[in-house]
Amino acid sequence: DIQMTQSPSSLSASVGDRVTITCRASQSISNYLNWYQQKPGKAPNLLIYAASSLQSGVPSRFSGRGSGTDFTLTISSLQPEDFATYYCQQSYITPPTFGRGTKLEFK
Amino acid sequence: QVQLQQWGAGLLKPSETLSLTCAVYGGSLSGYYWTWIRQAPGKGLEWIGEINQSGGTNYNASLKSRVTMSVDMSKSQFSLRLSSVTAADTAVYYCARVVSVLLYFGEDNWFDPWGQGTLVTVSS
Repeated sequence: DIQMTQSPSSLSASVGDRVTITCRASQSISNYLNWYQQKPGKAPNLLIYAASSLQSGVPSRFSGRGSGTDFTLTISSLQPEDFATYYCQQSYITPPTFGRGTKLEFK
Repeated sequence: QVQLQQWGAGLLKPSETLSLTCAVYGGSLSGYYWTWIRQAPGKGLEWIGEINQSGGTNYNASLKSRVTMSVDMSKSQFSLRLSSVTAADTAVYYCARVVSVLLYFGEDNWFDPWGQGTLVTVSS
């Protein structure tokens, strides 16, 4: 299985900050990388698909970049509703696998 | 807008069979794969498997011997059964739709939308 490694595992930030989360795959996955946001007690919600495509309805302050093994999710200006846990997921080969998550917390 | 609603028993004893069902509202089962994913307490997300409208399945090799998925087109529902559960199967179980799209680099897929989740606890 492809291992997905996210860093950091947690991140403290303030409203208005620009934050970047990194996801690394154990082998090249081209652009087959998706990002999800999960709030406590809720299901994950798709933010970004195909490494850099913004899901409909997701604010433009979210952006994704990368290809191959290294990917980033950036939030350009944190809003109060963005404090959540973020997961990357590879869709290159079965089984699809997820990173362990990055918890974004108030500083 | 497609919505998924799931239900099933939340408390099981070791060796029992987990059974969950997910209903699809606002759309059809046809043309998609439908998946189950679980999240153990404090842990990450684990893909269990998927099923299409014809009953075609793909299962995670780590669970394959214990997993059965089925689909009921007449009710727009799909189901998961996981046999011989242990405490290690305690998790929140989610159903989701698999969206597959042909992009410039190949056919990609992602999970959207998701059901609300069902906490399943295995305890004697």
